[in-house]
Amino acid sequence: EAQVTQNPRYLITVTGKKLTVTCSQNMNHEYMSWYRQDPGLGLRQIYYSMNVEVTDKGDVPEGYKVSRKEKRNFPLILESPSPNQTSLYFCASSLGPKGSTDTQYFGPGTRLTVL
Amino acid sequence: AQSVTQLGSHVSVSEGALVLLRCNYSSSVPPYLFWYVQYPNQGLQLLLKYTTGATLVKGINGFEAEFKKSETSFHLTKPSAHMSDAAEYFCAVSGGNAGNMLTFGGGTRLMVKP
Repeated sequence: EAQVTQNPRYLITVTGKKLTVTCSQNMNHEYMSWYRQDPGLGLRQIYYSMNVEVTDKGDVPEGYKVSRKEKRNFPLILESPSPNQTSLYFCASSLGPKGSTDTQYFGPGTRLTVL
Repeated sequence: AQSVTQLGSHVSVSEGALVLLRCNYSSSVPPYLFWYVQYPNQGLQLLLKYTTGATLVKGINGFEAEFKKSETSFHLTKPSAHMSDAAEYFCAVSGGNAGNMLTFGGGTRLMVKP
């Protein structure tokens, strides 16, 4: 089954404790991205990757890191989480790096709470 | 820069009534427009998209949207609401220098009353 998976689905942590949220897709998509969803703000892009070893900042990259060592995986790293990073996070992927018309497929989300 | 405005963060309709969710966008280049739906505790699922060609786009579950360039709008409609349509709906735009980056509106939560 074609899908985007994220782990963990729920995470409660404390300020300053490094964490990683994993994202994996099995559709051989080149483009992957991370969004955060906050009430009333919709989804805002954190980082995206056009292909392996190619990443770039989205609208709200501060406090986050990503890596793209393999095509299928795109982990999101919070080196020192803060309470304002409490949010619902979505990973997404689409077929082509330049395909603005491509459908993006979303993972189920990771609800992060930083105390 | 692109932006999307969804008028009404909450919309309530009766079962069987018309659903109209509004979306206006701004874009310096011809936009590609999307509607996504998010059911409770799930990720986003594509309802429909406009890229080129026919301006009336039909999607899944009986939804459709019309791209009106002169009004910079892409409103989502469904003739008859069903209880299962209760969800949050997001309008999004991409294109131009933004490439694949989707810019989302704030979302509209649709409630369907029996």
